[in-house]
Amino acid sequence: DAGVIQSPRHEVTEMGQEVTLRCKPISGHDYLFWYRQTMMRGLELLIYFNNNVPIDDSGMPEDRFSAKMPNASFSTLKIQPSEPRDSAVYFCASSEGFYTGELFFGEGSRLTVL
Amino acid sequence: QQPVQSPQAVILREGEDAVINCSSSKALYSVHWYRQKHGEAPVFLMILLKGGEQKGHEKISASFNEKKQQSSLYLTASQLSYSGTYFCGTDRGSNYQLIWGAGTKLIIKP
Repeated sequence: DAGVIQSPRHEVTEMGQEVTLRCKPISGHDYLFWYRQTMMRGLELLIYFNNNVPIDDSGMPEDRFSAKMPNASFSTLKIQPSEPRDSAVYFCASSEGFYTGELFFGEGSRLTVL
Repeated sequence: QQPVQSPQAVILREGEDAVINCSSSKALYSVHWYRQKHGEAPVFLMILLKGGEQKGHEKISASFNEKKQQSSLYLTASQLSYSGTYFCGTDRGSNYQLIWGAGTKLIIKP
């Protein structure tokens, strides 16, 4: 399996622009997680899905953030409008279950908002 | 509430041992350990569950003291490849949400 695939790897945009990050989880994994990592705040869970259904989005910082999982093989995280404080590395991770094994992380999308 | 990791950083010579600690003020159901190298994604090391079950890589050992809400990761005979930042993630068994510690940076020198 190719692992969790994220795109784009790097994104530089200007404040106010819409940003869409994409994730393809490992086939057969029922859970998908979106994380954000910054030096100041560390690794934060934004939202997670179970069988394509959003279960907990309490980590989504504001209404500017939204996430969807239209099918088992694709998820998006959208920021509209983007702000400089959104600059971070965004990781997508998938797993077979929560306690049954590991989280497989994608390589991350590094977002810079100018 | 974020678990507290200690030490924040440690420098070792190859072959030396290290212990990384993770403690929480709340009762825990599970503790998850990951290692992240600079510019890369976190990689799974181990899960420790309440009740004693563990799942992880053979060369990594860890403990979970449920009463003290603490976990320790033991790295023996360290190798250069062990360098990176180690994160613990804790879960209280209520909503499948891991809360991550700030990380422990481990530097191994030849």
